[in-house]
Amino acid sequence: DTGVSQDPRHKITKRGQNVTFRCDPISEHNRLYWYRQTLGQGPEFLTYFQNEAQLEKSRLLSDRFSAERPKGSFSTLEIQRTEQGDSAMYLCASRSDRFDTEAFFGQGTRLTVV
Amino acid sequence: AQKITQTQPGMFVQEKEAVTLDCTYDTSDPSYGLFWYKQPSSGEMIFLIYQGSYDQQNATEGRYSLNFQKARKSANLVISASQLGDSAMYFCAMRVSSGYALNFGKGTSLLVTP
Repeated sequence: DTGVSQDPRHKITKRGQNVTFRCDPISEHNRLYWYRQTLGQGPEFLTYFQNEAQLEKSRLLSDRFSAERPKGSFSTLEIQRTEQGDSAMYLCASRSDRFDTEAFFGQGTRLTVV
Repeated sequence: AQKITQTQPGMFVQEKEAVTLDCTYDTSDPSYGLFWYKQPSSGEMIFLIYQGSYDQQNATEGRYSLNFQKARKSANLVISASQLGDSAMYFCAMRVSSGYALNFGKGTSLLVTP
């Protein structure tokens, strides 16, 4: 399978706990995005990597959120001290270097904070 | 800043009919790309069609076409011969050449009825 994969698919955590999500992009894709999507809304951009460099972060990405892509391959998104408002679907996407190519999305990680 | 507006929260169409989903955008960047994605109830984001700002012709992909009116800053998706499987959320998105993020609208829910 050469698609974008995300792990886990579902996560239930208690408020205040830390969680980490993983994204494995399509292998030849240098560019990687993280998004958050709440019910009935469009995906909201969180952050963008080109290879291992984090080049853009949204204001939505509070201090409790951190993302890494240490070797320019897989990426992790960590949320510290989770809050109920963090409950959402977290989507990862990757694309090639060509400007006119689409981003390919993973199936997402659904986070529920109780 | 870039903004995508989808003004139709929900649309109905009968099977085999055509439907137009509206999208307007705002950017000062002369070079940009416009994308449409479909998100069925299963949650995955499926790329449908792409239009570049310098493309002279409207994009087409099978039953999907993009009605691109640059002066009006609109990029409406036309689905011809609707099928029951077209029932889903549809998102318009934009990426500008001077930035990295792919920004999404709030989406339109399409229901195809028999």
